[in-house]
Amino acid sequence: DTAVSQTPKYLVTQMGNDKSIKCEQNLGHDTMYWYKQDSKKFLKIMFSYNNKELIINETVPNRFSPKSPDKAHLNLHINSLELGDSAVYFCASSQGQGGTSNQPQHFGDGTRLSIL
Amino acid sequence: AQSVAQPEDQVNVAEGNPLTVKCTYSVSGNPYLFWYVQYPNRGLQFLLKYITGDNLVKGSYGFEAEFNKSQTSFHLKKPSALVSDSALYFCAVRDRRDSNYQLIWGAGTKLIIKP
Repeated sequence: DTAVSQTPKYLVTQMGNDKSIKCEQNLGHDTMYWYKQDSKKFLKIMFSYNNKELIINETVPNRFSPKSPDKAHLNLHINSLELGDSAVYFCASSQGQGGTSNQPQHFGDGTRLSIL
Repeated sequence: AQSVAQPEDQVNVAEGNPLTVKCTYSVSGNPYLFWYVQYPNRGLQFLLKYITGDNLVKGSYGFEAEFNKSQTSFHLKKPSALVSDSALYFCAVRDRRDSNYQLIWGAGTKLIIKP
C-alpha cells in the first residue's frame, strides 16, 4: 500500500548510458514532481506535472526528459549519463496546484543513481 | 530573490531536553510554511504546516512550530527530544501567489539526539 513508489531503488551504470526511473502514486493526487538531492543533501526541483501537463521545468539539461502517461505516473528518462548526474532522485506528489493549494507533498524513498 | 535559511547545519541535543531547529525565510506576502523530516535512506515526510490562524502549529511525533511574522521565522520545536528524532529536517516555504505550487527549500539541518 505504498503511497509513492519509485523503481529502481538503486541504479549503477556507466557514463554515456541511457536510463529511466519510474514513479507511481496511488494517492489520487493530480500533481507530481521530480527532485534531485545531491551529496550535500540539498534538494532541487527538476520538474512538476499537473494532470499530465508540465508546469515546472527548472534549468535542467535537456538530457533529462520527464514523461507522464497518466496522472498517477511520472517517469524520468536520462540520456547520455554524466558523472555529475550521480545523486538521489525523488519523486513526489500532492493534491491540487494553483494559488490556494497548501497540501503537503508526499515523497517516494528515492532512486540512488551512481555513475561509474 | 525568495529564499529559506536554516542557519545551523547540525543541532546536537541530549535526550529529554527541548530542541529547536531554526528556519527563517524571505518570501513576500503571507507564505505557506512547512517542515519535513528525512530519515536515512528514506524520502521526506511531512511534519506540519502553517497556513493561517494560531501562530503555534502542532504536527506529527510531538513536534510543533512557531510562526513569527515580524521575524519571518518558523522554528521547529519539541519539548523533550528522543533519540529516534535524529534525522535531517527541512523547512520549506511557498509563495501563495505562485500558481505552480513550487516550494522553496532550506538546505536542511541534521538533528542529533544523544542518549
